[in-house]
Amino acid sequence: DTAVSQTPKYLVTQMGNDKSIKCEQNLGHDTMYWYKQDSKKFLKIMFSYNNKELIINETVPNRFSPKSPDKAHLNLHINSLELGDSAVYFCASSQGGTSGGYNEQFFGPGTRLTVL
Amino acid sequence: DAKTTQPNSMESNEEEPVHLPCNHSTISGTDYIHWYRQLPSQGPEYVIHGLTSNVNNRMASLAIAEDRKSSTLILHRATLRDAAVYYCILLNGNTGFQKLVFGTGTRLLVSP
Repeated sequence: DTAVSQTPKYLVTQMGNDKSIKCEQNLGHDTMYWYKQDSKKFLKIMFSYNNKELIINETVPNRFSPKSPDKAHLNLHINSLELGDSAVYFCASSQGGTSGGYNEQFFGPGTRLTVL
Repeated sequence: DAKTTQPNSMESNEEEPVHLPCNHSTISGTDYIHWYRQLPSQGPEYVIHGLTSNVNNRMASLAIAEDRKSSTLILHRATLRDAAVYYCILLNGNTGFQKLVFGTGTRLLVSP
């Protein structure tokens, strides 16, 4: 069974559209994350939720809105898509957040978003 | 946040040991050293972490300098599947809910 899954794997859309990416984890973790990896391969965190509560919110345009209906799901909705939103988006999860001592993050396979 | 510095790329031959260095001269006493790697077209995956003592697991070994200003990830016998970008990341042991801050990492190329 896949630990962290994302749908869709590929998403091609036009500028101005609204799209969603879904993430589900079956590890029983209580913390989930969204990361963005741009064309230069820089990987950067966007959001983190713990028990459905937003705990990390980086400087991300408010066109991006995460939604966590329950601990096992963290979806990413993007309004008015722009060319610069083209990237690979990774979902991840961990138990209890990430601290120095442990709490490994498990990543999904990624969703490649292409905005035309 | 304490920063890490890694070489952009390294090369190895299959079945040879690989030593991937990481400098973290501004590390604090409570910072743990974590390593993640990202295989081509996949999400990152955890490799190993440590605080002061050297650590071993099924994937790799982590050698930490006595002054903790540098560390080395050791792959004892590189395989083609180990070709990936390796990231050295510091996480504070006193703070929960931290974010992983990925630098540019080291791209490891493994030749048959």
